[in-house]
Amino acid sequence: AQSVTQLDSQVPVFEEAPVELRCNYSSSVSVYLFWYVQYPNQGLQLLLKYLSGSTLVKGINGFEAEFNKSQTSFHLRKPSVHISDTAEYFCAVSASGGYNKLIFGAGTRLAVHP
Amino acid sequence: DTAVSQTPKYLVTQMGNDKSIKCEQNLGHDTMYWYKQDSKKFLKIMFSYNNKELIINETVPNRFSPKSPDKAHLNLHINSLELGDSAVYFCASSPTWGGAGPREQYFGPGTRLTVT
Repeated sequence: AQSVTQLDSQVPVFEEAPVELRCNYSSSVSVYLFWYVQYPNQGLQLLLKYLSGSTLVKGINGFEAEFNKSQTSFHLRKPSVHISDTAEYFCAVSASGGYNKLIFGAGTRLAVHP
Repeated sequence: DTAVSQTPKYLVTQMGNDKSIKCEQNLGHDTMYWYKQDSKKFLKIMFSYNNKELIINETVPNRFSPKSPDKAHLNLHINSLELGDSAVYFCASSPTWGGAGPREQYFGPGTRLTVT
């Protein structure tokens, strides 16, 4: 079975500051990793995904994440955040051969302040 | 043009009632999903259909019954609603799992169900 732990439930940050949202996963099989964003009162939108290859993955809106197999982590980063980045961010894992089944973390609320 | 749509957006009902939520996607995807997001924002998959065939059925009370009349629609019927069913229900769709791995899931806007 797979599980995802998002280490911070809330991350407050000032506008134009860098941010890192942490995600660790647990799995006995190969996994694929995702970050989704949920803006208030909306559905989820894919930010980026790691399937294979380069461990540094770039996504939309200036976000990137690095897959670290030895530390079983997939942390999300952005060098300079905007007010519009305020949202809930979800890390998710899908196991190989798992019918596209996504297991989500509990989410991290990113609050960007002016 | 809405890719994944859900109706209704809000649903307020009393305990014991039966209700349905509908989902439609116009992306031409083969796979559709239902997720439940609780009051703490935790998201959990409930069901998934691929070409009208049930492929994921998580530990969900049998009061919940999904139905897929065609691959563009996936409905969720809930019998004998309970207070604990209050949540936001999201529908999603994706292409079938490919050789390179899982495919991106596109989410609908959600249906907020409140059981009183």
